[in-house]
Amino acid sequence: GQNIDQPTEMTATEGAIVQINCTYQTSGFNGLFWYQQHAGEAPTFLSYNVLDGLEEKGRFSSFLSRSKGYSYLLLKELQMKDSASYLCAPMDSNYQLIWGAGTKLIIKP
Amino acid sequence: IAGITQAPTSQILAAGRRMTLRCTQDMRHNAMYWYRQDLGLGLRLIHYSNTAGTTGKGEVPDGYSVSRANTDDFPLTLASAVPSQTSVYFCASSDRQGDTGELFFGEGSRLTVL
Repeated sequence: GQNIDQPTEMTATEGAIVQINCTYQTSGFNGLFWYQQHAGEAPTFLSYNVLDGLEEKGRFSSFLSRSKGYSYLLLKELQMKDSASYLCAPMDSNYQLIWGAGTKLIIKP
Repeated sequence: IAGITQAPTSQILAAGRRMTLRCTQDMRHNAMYWYRQDLGLGLRLIHYSNTAGTTGKGEVPDGYSVSRANTDDFPLTLASAVPSQTSVYFCASSDRQGDTGELFFGEGSRLTVL
């Protein structure tokens, strides 16, 4: 079956760096998305990886290893506004997104 | 402002009643989707449409129906609501059918079935 595994909750300190891991098993693979979702709001797009390696976009970076079924989202210089849930979503062979339950990130001053 | 509009934003509904959640996008995206989001679970796909005139079933389609008469509108209907359909419903769209297009989400419709 298809499965996504990411930590339920993480805590980090303002100004620090945090890495949110995601492992996945899907029927086929057509890339992996990361979305951010603030409480009570809609998810918003952060990144997309289809090839192995690191994609950097400002304070956020996303890494993919297709052979290991593994991705991570790296957040640098954490700000209080980064407190949110981070959703890992690989795309299967039918181009459908398979969503993890998300990692709730709590930023402390 | 371009984007996706959902209505209503919140609704309390008696079990057995019929309910339609509306979704309209003005980005001329081909693909549209309905998800439900429940605490502790990932977004689950209810129905989708790759282009106007076509629809498909997602992971949890039972009890729901959709139509796609034109590019912009994608309503979701609960024919006879049950308490297990209490959830937050998100409509989304993408400009690339069957490809790697980013999903744009509406603000969500919070539905409570009593």
